Amino acid sequence: AQKVTQAQTEISVVEKEDVTLDCVYETRDTTYYLFWYKQPPSGELVFLIRRNSFDEQNEISGRYSWNFQKSTSSFNFTITASQVVDSAVYFCALSEQNNDMRFGAGTRLTVKP
Amino acid sequence: DVKVTQSSRYLVKRTGEKVFLECVQDMDHENMFWYRQDPGLGLRLIYFSYDVKMKEKGDIPEGYSVSREKKERFSLILESASTNQTSMYLCASGVAGGLQETQYFGPGTRLLVL
Repeated sequence: AQKVTQAQTEISVVEKEDVTLDCVYETRDTTYYLFWYKQPPSGELVFLIRRNSFDEQNEISGRYSWNFQKSTSSFNFTITASQVVDSAVYFCALSEQNNDMRFGAGTRLTVKP
Repeated sequence: DVKVTQSSRYLVKRTGEKVFLECVQDMDHENMFWYRQDPGLGLRLIYFSYDVKMKEKGDIPEGYSVSREKKERFSLILESASTNQTSMYLCASGVAGGLQETQYFGPGTRLLVL
């Protein structure tokens, strides 16, 4: 069975702070995919990253970075120097081959000016 | 850019009404999905389709049906709306190659059933 846990329901930070959103997953498969999506107040989920289980290299995209650690089944997301526009609900998701995508409950991030 | 559109942003219906939610994508994607989003539960898959006229049940198909007569359009139908179907409904599309492919989402429809 798949399961994605985002233990942080809500996080509030002040602008320019760094913030890490946690994601822990469960799977018995050796081949799987992990995703992060952002849902701003407008409602539309925006794709941020897709990572397969064989690629443990961390990734950086501007102020965003992702830390994938198979040993702890975690795929954490860090925003550096947060901005008000980063305020959104962030979802982590897991997909095994031939199986539908399972989403975590989401973490609501509020960045205050 | 991938464009997924949903027919309504907000919808108010009465218990027992038949409700149609429409979704259209313009990227020639094979796969299309319907989710509902509820606080604390994340997104849950209702139905998906990997080809025209094909459909597969997701985790919570009860009370819903779908229709995919054309590749670009995927409709979600609530045969007899109930108050527990009040939710945010999200449509998504993705390329063929397995359900692990990236999904692209529409803006969502907030449905209130009175």
